[in-house]
Amino acid sequence: GQQVMQIPQYQHVQEGEDFTTYCNSSTTLSNIQWYKQRPGGHPVFLIQLVKSGEVKKQKRLTFQFGEAKKNSSLHITATQTTDVGTYFCAGRANTNAGKSTFGDGTTLTVKP
Amino acid sequence: ETGVTQTPRHLVMGMTNKKSLKCEQHLGHNAMYWYKQSAKKPLELMFVYSLEERVENNSVPSRFSPECPNSSHLFLHLHTLQPEDSALYLCASSQAAVGPYNEQFFGPGTRLTVL
Repeated sequence: GQQVMQIPQYQHVQEGEDFTTYCNSSTTLSNIQWYKQRPGGHPVFLIQLVKSGEVKKQKRLTFQFGEAKKNSSLHITATQTTDVGTYFCAGRANTNAGKSTFGDGTTLTVKP
Repeated sequence: ETGVTQTPRHLVMGMTNKKSLKCEQHLGHNAMYWYKQSAKKPLELMFVYSLEERVENNSVPSRFSPECPNSSHLFLHLHTLQPEDSALYLCASSQAAVGPYNEQFFGPGTRLTVL
């Protein structure tokens, strides 16, 4: 079955440093979604990427979808303490009945 | 507030108890999901319902029994649980279970402790 892997599992950064999490799928994806879960909270949808090579920005967050549509990344520039949480990717299989499979997430901690 | 509510927010139960978790979505979505979240497995999909029909059951033990009486409500009936079932149970909904518009909206979760 489809597998979605995320690395790293944990990342500790100093406030102001950049952060990147990577998502890799065992199969070609139709789209990829990113979610953020704050400590004690629930996952919240951030963005969806659909096109090969697509890049989208949300303020300090940059999301990329690979050319082969099998990987994606989320990059945060100049992290702030409000960025702490776990970032999940969810890849939708490239079939008519495609459902989304979540990665195991990357947990980011930011030292002020 | 995402439009998905879950009750109760916290639940402590013994191994012989029977309890139910409730989820309600006010978004007009057609798909609803149950996830288990624990330290061991961050987001483990349990069940998916699309238009009140179960479309996915990920090898979940029979002590968990879902029910979807209509597209706005989803229940998870619990009986004879084990301590390892202690976790955060998250409900989510999406416009559809498959296709390009299936971003999921999560409820706040029920923190379950099995003694």
